[in-house]
Amino acid sequence: NAGVMQNPRHLVRRRGQEARLRCSPVKGHSHVYWYRQLPEEGLKFMVYLQKENIIDESGMPKERFSAEFPKEGPSILRIQQVVRGDSAAYFCASSPLLGQGGPEAFFGQGTRLTVV
Amino acid sequence: AQTVTQSQPEMSVQEAETVTLSCTYDTSENNYYLFWYKQPPSRQMILVIRQEAYKQQNATENRFSVNFQKAAKSFSLKISDSQLGDTAMYFCAFMTEGKLIFGQGTELSVKP
Repeated sequence: NAGVMQNPRHLVRRRGQEARLRCSPVKGHSHVYWYRQLPEEGLKFMVYLQKENIIDESGMPKERFSAEFPKEGPSILRIQQVVRGDSAAYFCASSPLLGQGGPEAFFGQGTRLTVV
Repeated sequence: AQTVTQSQPEMSVQEAETVTLSCTYDTSENNYYLFWYKQPPSRQMILVIRQEAYKQQNATENRFSVNFQKAAKSFSLKISDSQLGDTAMYFCAFMTEGKLIFGQGTELSVKP
């Protein structure tokens, strides 16, 4: 039973390029969360998605960042025109249940984005 | 707004001894979940233990236990019989509306 799969594990982009990070949740999970971890910091919530819907994007920067979780295929976090400050580890987590009654979130191993 | 505070950036403990990591949080909610996650150098986030706020009994998982003080909004993690493999960053987290709010983390080193 595969866990949350993220790819790539490492991604290097030049300033101004686009970064696409992929996340395949645990089979059967319909809730996906993206978190960002800057160096020496804890994880910060970015966005919460269900299939084809954005539920909560209160942690997403207003510009350049977008996320989707289509009916078929993985969830994608897209960062346009990357800047050095976007360098971080991006984690995806999935959960089978909504809200406070849910069990723990299952995390992927993260994608480390480096902007040069 | 909910916040989670870990006041110990770094801690160390001798192998086989006991260590306690502190965590406090702030919320106006009455029902919620609290978690401790471990992040070893591999960066994988591993769930250590979970506490449901409506349960008064402290959660225990093998060598890991919590001291949950709801009125004080305190949620500390005790690791007994520390092992070298426990060396990692430990994050306290609060779950609200499905999303996790993390503390800044405590870097734990277990020394032989």
